[in-house]
Amino acid sequence: QLQLQESGPGLVRPSETLSLTCTVSGGSIDSRSDYWGWIRQPPGKGLEWIGTIYYSGDTYSNPSLKSRLTMSVDTSTNQFSLHLRSMTAADTAVYYCARHPRGYYYYMDVWGKGTTVTVSS
Amino acid sequence: QSVLTQPPSVSAAPGRKVTISCSGSDSNIGNNYVSWYQQLPGAAPKLLIFDDNKRPSGIPDRFSGSKSGTSATLDITGLQTGDEADYYCATWDNSLNAVVFGGGTKLAVL
Repeated sequence: QLQLQESGPGLVRPSETLSLTCTVSGGSIDSRSDYWGWIRQPPGKGLEWIGTIYYSGDTYSNPSLKSRLTMSVDTSTNQFSLHLRSMTAADTAVYYCARHPRGYYYYMDVWGKGTTVTVSS
Repeated sequence: QSVLTQPPSVSAAPGRKVTISCSGSDSNIGNNYVSWYQQLPGAAPKLLIFDDNKRPSGIPDRFSGSKSGTSATLDITGLQTGDEADYYCATWDNSLNAVVFGGGTKLAVL
């Protein structure tokens, strides 16, 4: 059974870079049909798509975050990562990783439990 | 302001039916598949409906989705107290080149 688990710091200082990793277990990150996404949810607010990566390294990013966002994938460790630069309080949120089983523009069927990131000095 | 418009809240009595709407445009719902997610309090979102009206295995047939033009609908019948959650619609937007979500609808089972 496929499972995803986010990991990273719970606290980030303003202007610093957030780095999160999602570990995929029970399946292979280099599956030809699967894409791997990041979604976030500020406290008390709705869901926002951050971006999605394919095992080949192809990335698809939310235009509103693209200038600050880098994503990477490591097939040897079955992990993919997010790096978001110049963090501000507005980036405080629960960050989820998820799988798109058919393509980056399709639904997400397996989600991690989420990790809370707070931006504060 | 979300690209997809959902009512902030809906409510109904146990055993009854509720409908949650999701309104968009030709650049999103009108030309792409819609998915629906259930988020129980303190939990991660869970896929309820994909490709407008398909249910993943394990999702009861009390949950159903439909689409007409630039609007989509999630119906929940035989409401249970355990259905109290936030519900989100989502799709791809061809103009924004992004996955877009509705603002979410909080369901109360009174």
